[in-house]
Amino acid sequence: EVQLVESGGGLVKPGASLRLSCAGSGYTFSAHSLNWVRQAPGKGLEWVSSITSNSAYVYYADSVKARFTISRDNAKSSLYLQMDSLTVEDTAVYYCARGVGGNHQKLHSFDNWGQGTLVTVSS
Amino acid sequence: QSVLTQPPSASGTPGQRVSISCSGGGSNIGSNSVNWYQHFPGVAPKLLMYTDDKRPSGVPDRFSGSKSGTSASLAISGLRSEDEADYYCAAWDDSLNGWVFGGGTKLTVL
Repeated sequence: EVQLVESGGGLVKPGASLRLSCAGSGYTFSAHSLNWVRQAPGKGLEWVSSITSNSAYVYYADSVKARFTISRDNAKSSLYLQMDSLTVEDTAVYYCARGVGGNHQKLHSFDNWGQGTLVTVSS
Repeated sequence: QSVLTQPPSASGTPGQRVSISCSGGGSNIGSNSVNWYQHFPGVAPKLLMYTDDKRPSGVPDRFSGSKSGTSASLAISGLRSEDEADYYCAAWDDSLNGWVFGGGTKLTVL
């Protein structure tokens, strides 16, 4: 069974940094792209970032570009999201999701999701 | 404001057929396939439809997807109370070089 388990969320002040992790199991971790998607309170799903299976390509939403960094360690079956210069608008539940499909991200869908980790940015 | 436009709400009675629309543009739906996700509050979202009209294993055939031009649609026939959830469309956007989601549609089964 595919499992994705996020961790690292918490309460931080504006301007602070936080690093989220997502541990994958039950499948060949290195064979799939991975993604971060967030949901702010009372809002819809918002894509944050994606990384290809071998880390060759990374993609970011404009709202987080230059502040967030996605990375992965296939040897540890782990995905990361380094979040810097956090603002109150980054308050959300952050989900990691596995990508499946063709060679390019645009052909993918997110077939397995974690339960999410809550990030709260507040003074 | 989401790049993909969905109605904020939809409703139907048990057994009815309901449809949820998703409108985009040439750089997203017009050029790439659409995926749909079902989300119950507090749990992980679930892939409901991929590549416009394909159902993952385990998704009932009451759910169907379609796409025409820059719009897509999710239809649910034989509506059940357990279908009450939030539904999101998503597509890759070539101009933004990233994924875009619709704002979500809250489906209520009356």
